[in-house]
Amino acid sequence: DTAVSQTPKYLVTQMGNDKSIKCEQNLGHDTMYWYKQDSKKFLKIMFSYNNKELIINETVPNRFSPKSPDKAHLNLHINSLELGDSAVYFCASSQRQSNTEAFFGQGTRLTVV
Amino acid sequence: AQTVTQSQPEMSVQEAETVTLSCTYDTSESDYYLFWYKQPPSRQMILVIRQEAYKQQNATENRFSVNFQKAAKSFSLKISDSQLGDAAMYFCAYRSFNNDMRFGAGTRLTVKP
Repeated sequence: DTAVSQTPKYLVTQMGNDKSIKCEQNLGHDTMYWYKQDSKKFLKIMFSYNNKELIINETVPNRFSPKSPDKAHLNLHINSLELGDSAVYFCASSQRQSNTEAFFGQGTRLTVV
Repeated sequence: AQTVTQSQPEMSVQEAETVTLSCTYDTSESDYYLFWYKQPPSRQMILVIRQEAYKQQNATENRFSVNFQKAAKSFSLKISDSQLGDAAMYFCAYRSFNNDMRFGAGTRLTVKP
């Protein structure tokens, strides 16, 4: 059983399109995250949700909108895609006030052409 | 927000030798968690080792150990008896008590046969 699964694994799309990446965790964790990993491998936090409530919203263009229908799901919708949005996007989950690590999805490589 | 600094973009070690990766962080909190993650070319994020800030004893996992200096806000990773499979990107991560999780810029480790 995959702990954190995100789909799709690869996504190639044209500039100006709208796309979504889905993420689901079956660990019962109360916190979920979206990270962007650029070509230099830097992992930058974008959003964090705790029990469906947005708690971290970093300086991210408002073309990016997270949606958390329940605490096991955190989807990322991106409007009007730009070339600079090309990156690997990781979903992760963790449990608050716990020493257990965060678990990551396998990443979604987004290429905007 | 807390910041995590990895000052070594690249490191190299001879197979069977020992290497230490550096990490420092900035925080005003007293309770938090620290992690080292490994990211091989498959891009999967794999936990290497964890440390709770309230524990004085340094964590150890087989060939991996940390040197945690809370007052200095330093959290270095030592890899003993390096193996070819250790070659990867290594990320230091800080997770606050309320689950805000930040990463360093990463260190690319090369293992020479």
